[in-house]
Amino acid sequence: ETGVTQSPTHLIKTRGQQVTLRCSSQSGHNTVSWYQQALGQGPQFIFQYYREEENGRGNFPPRFSGLQFPNYSSELNVNALELDDSALYLCASSWVQGSGGYTFGSGTRLTVV
Amino acid sequence: SQQGEEDPQALSIQEGENATMNCSYKTSINNLQWYRQNSGRGLVHLILIRSNEREKHSGRLRVTLDTSKKSSSLLITASRAADTASYFCATDAGNNNDMRFGAGTRLTVKP
Repeated sequence: ETGVTQSPTHLIKTRGQQVTLRCSSQSGHNTVSWYQQALGQGPQFIFQYYREEENGRGNFPPRFSGLQFPNYSSELNVNALELDDSALYLCASSWVQGSGGYTFGSGTRLTVV
Repeated sequence: SQQGEEDPQALSIQEGENATMNCSYKTSINNLQWYRQNSGRGLVHLILIRSNEREKHSGRLRVTLDTSKKSSSLLITASRAADTASYFCATDAGNNNDMRFGAGTRLTVKP
């Protein structure tokens, strides 16, 4: 049984650019959630995908978008990057919308310069 | 927005001592979870307690939940240097399918 893997682990982008982060969910999990964690803070919910549909969204602008694929892997896309988007982006997978706890990946550290 | 608030923000103890961290939240919940995070890495799920449960144990961990006070505590007994990490509580209110995290307690266990 594999865990949650995220790629890339680190990324540096320029303000205004676009970025795609990837996540492979744990085997047997059908739900993927994305979180943004700024330095010294707790993770903030971006959105969740269940069966390839967005299934809940936090307080993030539309330039944050995502996809879930038939194999339950997922992408997070951020357009028009801003300096404040610099953070650790965490992907978490679960079964039946988190009723049994989430399995997190190690995250992607995004730096916007 | 944050839902849970951990207290204290930072805690430093000697190896072998017990560590207690508290979490308060604002709205009704379905369950509350505790996670550990080592230095900027992914979160590790420690324990989940449902709203109809009052106490739960897992190894050296003991979690309590008081829904009337909207609070939870995590006790780590006989702490080890390897327990050094940030600890977060997260609440699942069933709204919007989001789990809301507090800002965490940074625990340092000195050998």
